[in-house]
Amino acid sequence: SSELTQPPSVSVSPGQTASITCSGDNLGDKYVCWYQQKPGQSPLLIIYQDNKRPSGIPERFSGSNSGNTATLTISGTQALDEADYYCQAWDGSTEAVFGGGTKLTVL
Amino acid sequence: QVTLKESGPVLVKPTETLTLTCTVSGFSVSSAGMAVGWIRQPPGKALEWLAHIFSNDDESYNTVLKSRLTISKDTPKSQVVLTMTNVDPVDTATYYCARMIWNGILYYFDYWGQGTLVTVSS
Repeated sequence: SSELTQPPSVSVSPGQTASITCSGDNLGDKYVCWYQQKPGQSPLLIIYQDNKRPSGIPERFSGSNSGNTATLTISGTQALDEADYYCQAWDGSTEAVFGGGTKLTVL
Repeated sequence: QVTLKESGPVLVKPTETLTLTCTVSGFSVSSAGMAVGWIRQPPGKALEWLAHIFSNDDESYNTVLKSRLTISKDTPKSQVVLTMTNVDPVDTATYYCARMIWNGILYYFDYWGQGTLVTVSS
């Protein structure tokens, strides 16, 4: 099965833009979802189909996907955005693959 | 309101079989365009997809774990059951069930249960 690679950690200052990448072979040919997970909580879907936001997810969360890299962008990062973020795609049409996760620290 | 809740043993001995139940509400596990999946997360580690079952009973399994996993559903009870045979301490994890929804283009996990921590130890 395919692998998705994320940086273990990303740091950002409050109010700045955070970018979290997810890399995989020809990832741009697949759709990517992003999940946010805060300590002790279940994952929360924040982006699906590369760049779509579910109802209730703030506009500061956006996504893109091209070539071998998908990117989650958080504009105007807030302290409450500090969490682990996971990308996910489908290998073939039936196996879900998650990235290794990125810990976002808001300094 | 869509909810999912996992249930099962807190502690399992090595080599035993683990049985986990996901009880859902707010949707039917047999509704077209729906599926339910299981994902686990060892302490301090990443999410790992295990299996899912579609509304038409088609199943899909993690290739590496396939020989040890079985997923099934009981529509009248609104439950999806995952069994894992021959457990090992490395199977210690929080196990989540999640709803998958089809939007016409892809499936994605839109609602997750609270998770249940399973420890494998003698």
